Amino acid sequence: NAGVTQTPKFQVLKTGQSMTLQCAQDMNHEYMSWYRQDPGMGLRLIHYSVGAGITDQGEVPNGYNVSRSTTEDFPLRLLSAAPSQTSVYFCASSYLRRDGYTFGSGTRLTVV
Amino acid sequence: DQQVKQNSPSLSVQEGRISILNCDYTNSMFDYFLWYKKYPAEGPTFLISISSIKDKNEDGRFTVFLNKSAKHLSLHIVPSQPGDSAVYFCAASDGNNRKLIWGLGTSLAVNP
Repeated sequence: NAGVTQTPKFQVLKTGQSMTLQCAQDMNHEYMSWYRQDPGMGLRLIHYSVGAGITDQGEVPNGYNVSRSTTEDFPLRLLSAAPSQTSVYFCASSYLRRDGYTFGSGTRLTVV
Repeated sequence: DQQVKQNSPSLSVQEGRISILNCDYTNSMFDYFLWYKKYPAEGPTFLISISSIKDKNEDGRFTVFLNKSAKHLSLHIVPSQPGDSAVYFCAASDGNNRKLIWGLGTSLAVNP
């Protein structure tokens, strides 16, 4: 089925570990983004990309890296996990024209 | 400073009645507004949007109204159904559609 696929759905990390959250879409969307959702904070933009090879920072980029080598994939890397990065992470994509985003089902990350 | 505010954290309505969810914004540069619905353990789903050149947009049971002078928009759901029970997010952009600003959400409960 067409859509945004995020893996893994759940992950527990120890402080200092690194990992990559995967995001893939099969709708040929130019735009992809990563959000984190925390209680009382709403959705906050981490990084986004408007096409292969182009990425930019959002509101809360510190501690995260991204790359966009293909249109389909937009992985999010945690360089050295911290408890403050415990959150639910959502990947979203859309065409570049004004349009609603398609979200993945999320990755629940706990850093202990 | 919250640029998009959803002042009601929760709302409860009877099945068949109207649900009205409200959203206020402070940035007069916002010119495009979107509503998303989110069920637990799922990503947000795009519902409906409105451009600042309009004051109303309808899609089936969902209607969004925009009052630019009051910097206020509302989502009307008529008639409300139990399946509408979810968290509703309001989001806005200022022409840079790649950086949506999100409200904190309103949890709607539609009681049978």
